[in-house]
Amino acid sequence: HLQQSGPGLVKPSETLSLTCVISGDSLATSSAGWYWIRQSPSRGLEWLGRLSYRSDWSGDYALSVRGRITFIPDTSKNQFSLQLDSVTPDDTGLYYCVRGPGPYIYYGMDGWGQGTTVTVSS
Amino acid sequence: EIVMTQSPATLSVSPGERATLSCRASQSIGRNLAWYQQKPGQAPRLLIDGASTRAAGISARFSGSGFGTEFTLTISSLQSEDSAVYYCQQYDNWYTFGQGTKLEIK
Repeated sequence: HLQQSGPGLVKPSETLSLTCVISGDSLATSSAGWYWIRQSPSRGLEWLGRLSYRSDWSGDYALSVRGRITFIPDTSKNQFSLQLDSVTPDDTGLYYCVRGPGPYIYYGMDGWGQGTTVTVSS
Repeated sequence: EIVMTQSPATLSVSPGERATLSCRASQSIGRNLAWYQQKPGQAPRLLIDGASTRAAGISARFSGSGFGTEFTLTISSLQSEDSAVYYCQQYDNWYTFGQGTKLEIK
């Protein structure tokens, strides 16, 4: 189970921050990856990145947001966070945290958070 | 980037009939394809993995087929609860989704 939290309104040029708390699984498992996926009318479903653990933490990010995005793990709370810097109205959308495959493992996304609608507006 | 193209955009089928949804990949992805169902106000739900393997708890009325670049999701004995948007997704080279097929039950 994945439970998301975070603000629904962010001003342009500021940082979007969302958190996803994991229950029933471990953030530090080597068999899964932890994702943020967003959905908007203009972009559809868009993969933003993956956080994974294999002796160390690794973040892999989509080209469309690379340089502005960071995933932050917190094993003490079994949660991970998304930070997206310098947002514009184009970053408006419904954001999901998702459980999926780890690196070099191939399967679909089998666990989704409830979604958080984020609007970028002044 | 691998582009996923779904057809048709909208499909209207009567209860009890069969629906066939298509998904095409811009390059070969083997069987690295998943199908999802999304109902209004809900997150997508994994239906099919590995092009043809039903996810846990998914009805046998849902079946997937295909390999390479052409894939199909078939829903038999349609029920009103099957009304949703269906997405395909490739995970062969990072992750991309199709634009979705909206299935309406007449």
